[in-house]
Amino acid sequence: KAGVTQTPRYLIKTRGQQVTLSCSPISGHRSVSWYQQTPGQGLQFLFEYFSETQRNKGNFPGRFSGRQFSNSRSEMNVSTLELGDSALYLCASSFGLAGGTGELFFGEGSRLTVL
Amino acid sequence: GESVGLHLPTLSVQEGDNSIINCAYSNSASDYFIWYKQESGKGPQFIIDIRSNMDKRQGQRVTVLLNKTVKHLSLQIAATQPGDSAVYFCAVTSGSSASKIIFGSGTRLSIRP
Repeated sequence: KAGVTQTPRYLIKTRGQQVTLSCSPISGHRSVSWYQQTPGQGLQFLFEYFSETQRNKGNFPGRFSGRQFSNSRSEMNVSTLELGDSALYLCASSFGLAGGTGELFFGEGSRLTVL
Repeated sequence: GESVGLHLPTLSVQEGDNSIINCAYSNSASDYFIWYKQESGKGPQFIIDIRSNMDKRQGQRVTVLLNKTVKHLSLQIAATQPGDSAVYFCAVTSGSSASKIIFGSGTRLSIRP
């Protein structure tokens, strides 16, 4: 069974640009959550999607948005990039909502560098 | 608010020795505890979990201990190998949403030959 796939793996953008990251969950998983990982802040929750609906959103500005498609694939978008947005963005999938067990299956991440 | 902290940001152990990584949490309502391993350039990978109604759980070369009285969680790795080099995170959850999962800051385990 294929794991969680994230694209692109690496990207470099400049301040003010926008970026779209993609995540394909494990086949059969309906829940996708996104995290931002930085050395200083660790893993910070961004969004959680289940059956195309955003269930929860973390404490991030409105520049961060996302969506989930009918095939459970998800995208997140960051507009008007700032230097502080440089991070590893991780997508995780689970069969149902993950909070009950906490078991998430993570992708390898998209490393974003903002210059 | 809720917090999860690891006692040591780095840990260096001799190959073949046992490793113990500790984690403290603040929310006594937490009911599910997980350890993740993150190797360089990869995403976190589930290692082992434990529910709040248990004190100990064993996997292959790993044991998780839960002390709810002092809100402490530990991961023990037996006979540490070079492939165990990674950052280890504990995660704690008390609800039915990924937004309720609180991750610790991680302990980097390095292995001395």
